[in-house]
Amino acid sequence: EIVLTQSPATLSLSPGDGATLSCRASQSISSFLAWYQQKPGQAPRLLIYDASKRATGIPARFSGSGSGTDFTLTISSLEPEDFAVYYCHHRSSWPFTFGQGTKLEIK
Amino acid sequence: EVQVVASGGGLVQPGGSLRLSCAASGFTFSSHWMHWVRQAPGKGLVWVARSSPDGSSTNYADSVKGRVTISSDNAKNTLYLEMNSLRVEDTAVYYCASLDYASGWAAWGQGTLVTVSS
Repeated sequence: EIVLTQSPATLSLSPGDGATLSCRASQSISSFLAWYQQKPGQAPRLLIYDASKRATGIPARFSGSGSGTDFTLTISSLEPEDFAVYYCHHRSSWPFTFGQGTKLEIK
Repeated sequence: EVQVVASGGGLVQPGGSLRLSCAASGFTFSSHWMHWVRQAPGKGLVWVARSSPDGSSTNYADSVKGRVTISSDNAKNTLYLEMNSLRVEDTAVYYCASLDYASGWAAWGQGTLVTVSS
């Protein structure tokens, strides 16, 4: 099973700041990585797939990069609605797995 | 409008059974892989099972293998998750999702809560 490790566990920032979230895979997953946003009581929302492609309707302030084992989600300028938990997820092989999540909280 | 609606959750005793349903509309159900993902209270997301578009190929997480069966009725645009020998640790919100990462397609249901407790 491929383990995804996200860092940091919690990120405290202010609206308008830039955010950088990391995800490291225990072995190469090529570009088969997605990023999800989840708010309390809601289903996950797909932001980025195949490491760098924005899903339909996702604002341009969200971007993804990386390949192999190291990946990054960047939010260029935080809006109030961006404060949530973010998960990375791979589909390289079964079982698919998620990282443990990064909580982005208001400072 | 794309809709994915999960149902069938509830309170069940350890060792009991439950069948979850996921009704899809607004898209071609039989064109995409369908998935069940669960989230224990206050915890992260865990993939449970997936089914190919025609139902001929399925995969399960080790934690549920042998106790859970994923199936679909394409005529009814409905996905199922039959769960047996339930354990306290199966307590979670169960989400169903239609996913096709080749095109960036993702449609998630709102989740249904399964509580396993005596």
